[in-house]
Amino acid sequence: SQQGEEDPQALSIQEGENATMNCSYKTSINNLQWYRQNSGRGLVHLILIRSNEREKHSGRLRVTLDTSKKSSSLLITASRAADTASYFCAGDDKIIFGKGTRLHILP
Amino acid sequence: DTGVSQNPRHKITKRGQNVTFRCDPISEHNRLYWYRQTLGQGPEFLTYFQNEAQLEKSRLLSDRFSAERPKGSFSTLEIQRTEQGDSAMYLCASSLYSLNEKLFFGSGTQLSVL
Repeated sequence: SQQGEEDPQALSIQEGENATMNCSYKTSINNLQWYRQNSGRGLVHLILIRSNEREKHSGRLRVTLDTSKKSSSLLITASRAADTASYFCAGDDKIIFGKGTRLHILP
Repeated sequence: DTGVSQNPRHKITKRGQNVTFRCDPISEHNRLYWYRQTLGQGPEFLTYFQNEAQLEKSRLLSDRFSAERPKGSFSTLEIQRTEQGDSAMYLCASSLYSLNEKLFFGSGTQLSVL
């Protein structure tokens, strides 16, 4: 399975700071995706990075992928209160999620 | 609104009763996934369909759980003889299968077993 494991489990930062969370996976992938989940809601797709890409940007999001280390990172710049959520990564093919990183933005 | 609809939004039932949830995916999506999520945990994969074929079931899916997608459109997840441990959020997601598959999630059905 393409299970992702996120790290850290929880992260609290001040509004305006950058937040970095990491993901490790075990098997080969064609792509890796990041999702966000607000409390009590379904997951929302944020960004997808292909296995032949090393970095990708989308607005305030920056994702990196290191296939040799089977790891990815998600950077959220200039954090806002609305970024408070849980963040999950997953590889492709029967998408399986880890426990996520719970991000809390402090006012 | 992602276009994936789940009903009901909340379900309260007594232990031992049967419950059924429905998921209506985005119409052109051929893959449909079911997940279960408890508080503070990530979504646990239960099963997925490609069109009407159920391709895989998790070991988490006991014999009391059954899922169908009869015409490759909507799907139902039934839990028979519910137990308190079944209390969770049940999430449905759909996708158009490709090398860049992205899942679109519904808002989930919150099940409480008393």
